[in-house]
Amino acid sequence: QVQLVQSGAEVRKPGASVKVSCKASGYSFTAYDINWVRQATGEGPEWLGWMNPNSGHTNYAERFQGRLTLTRNASISTAYMELSGLRSDDTAVYFCARTVEKVTTVYYHYFDIWGKGTAVTVSS
Amino acid sequence: QSVPTQPPSASGTPGQRVSISCSGSSSNIGSNTVNWYQQLPGTAPKLLIYGNNQRPSGVPDRFSGSKSGTSASLAITGLQSEDEADYYCASWTVGLNGQVFGTGTKVTVL
Repeated sequence: QVQLVQSGAEVRKPGASVKVSCKASGYSFTAYDINWVRQATGEGPEWLGWMNPNSGHTNYAERFQGRLTLTRNASISTAYMELSGLRSDDTAVYFCARTVEKVTTVYYHYFDIWGKGTAVTVSS
Repeated sequence: QSVPTQPPSASGTPGQRVSISCSGSSSNIGSNTVNWYQQLPGTAPKLLIYGNNQRPSGVPDRFSGSKSGTSASLAITGLQSEDEADYYCASWTVGLNGQVFGTGTKVTVL
């Protein structure tokens, strides 16, 4: 079935980097953008950025510019999210999500399949 | 970027109707379609409504969405115990070139 499987929990010290993977199966990996969203405990989801797995084109939320890098290895249907310069407030669960984008009479853009999330803890 | 505002909580007894509002701006809801996500404790968000009022396959028809201007709403009719969850509206945002999520509403079934 269609699914996104994420890598396991990570613990990092402040200033370090973390790289989370998201492996797609059950569909053509290059046919859908992948978005990344994070959620701190007790907070709502926060959008980080998206990547087109076919072209590699990316777009990042302004507040993560310079710290966030989204990449992919299409040969193994896997997307990656790397966040550098980690701070304690980067502690959160990070999700990847398959994105449906289509234009009919209106513009549709939504996340239909989500990974289960990867907990990242930043602590000294 | 402004974040769409939702009431922090809503509640109802089984069988009742509950409505959740989502108030945005011209840069998000006012110019793009609205999606709704349901999040059960400890799980990933799940797509509930897309394109303002479309239900993905498998979502019960007791969930419905609507949009007017810069606001949207989600209605749950015939509330059930398994509907107890957090609900988030979301919309593509001009300028951000990405999705913005609402502040979220916790629905409690009394």
